[in-house]
Amino acid sequence: GQSLEQPSEVTAVEGAIVQINCTYQTSGFYGLSWYQQHDGGAPTFLSYNALDGLEETGRFSSFLSRSDSYGYLLLQELQMKDSASYFCAVRNSSGGSYIPTFGRGTSLIVHP
Amino acid sequence: DGGITQSPKYLFRKEGQNVTLSCEQNLNHDAMYWYRQDPGQGLRLIYYSQIVNDFQKGDIAEGYSVSREKKESFPLTVTSAQKNPTAFYLCASSISASGSHGNEQFFGPGTRLTVL
Repeated sequence: GQSLEQPSEVTAVEGAIVQINCTYQTSGFYGLSWYQQHDGGAPTFLSYNALDGLEETGRFSSFLSRSDSYGYLLLQELQMKDSASYFCAVRNSSGGSYIPTFGRGTSLIVHP
Repeated sequence: DGGITQSPKYLFRKEGQNVTLSCEQNLNHDAMYWYRQDPGQGLRLIYYSQIVNDFQKGDIAEGYSVSREKKESFPLTVTSAQKNPTAFYLCASSISASGSHGNEQFFGPGTRLTVL
């Protein structure tokens, strides 16, 4: 089977940098994705890593190490609006398609 | 504007009743998915469909059924066999379920189902 581990909660202050880690166990790995979900809302896609290394998109960056089955989401210059839940997700091969599995999510609380 | 719509936003059901949640997309995506989210939990996959007239069970399919008669529509029926149906239900789509296109999923606004 597959499983993902990420911290349940992270707190930080406005303007700071925060890192949300994700470790996974899976077979047929096909990429690590990150999603943001505000309370009561729909998840929105942030980033995707298929290869090792860092991907940067504005204030958000995502990193992947396939040999360590590990990735992280880095949020810089934190803003109050970044308070949300962040989910990592992996895709695993199944009958020719790749099925997503999500972690339980990390609640990020940004303080003034 | 392209996107995914789900209706209704809130749904109340009596125990023993079947209920159908709607999901429509105009993104021309081949793949569609249904997830269940419980408070403080991640998203758990109920069913997915790679193409019209095809669908597969996810991790928690028991007590649910789906159909995919049209590319843009993927309704979910919560049957009376689902013992704990109160949850937030999210529908999503992606260009396809294979290759890199499946890594970016687009989600609808969700339906909050409460069993009375």
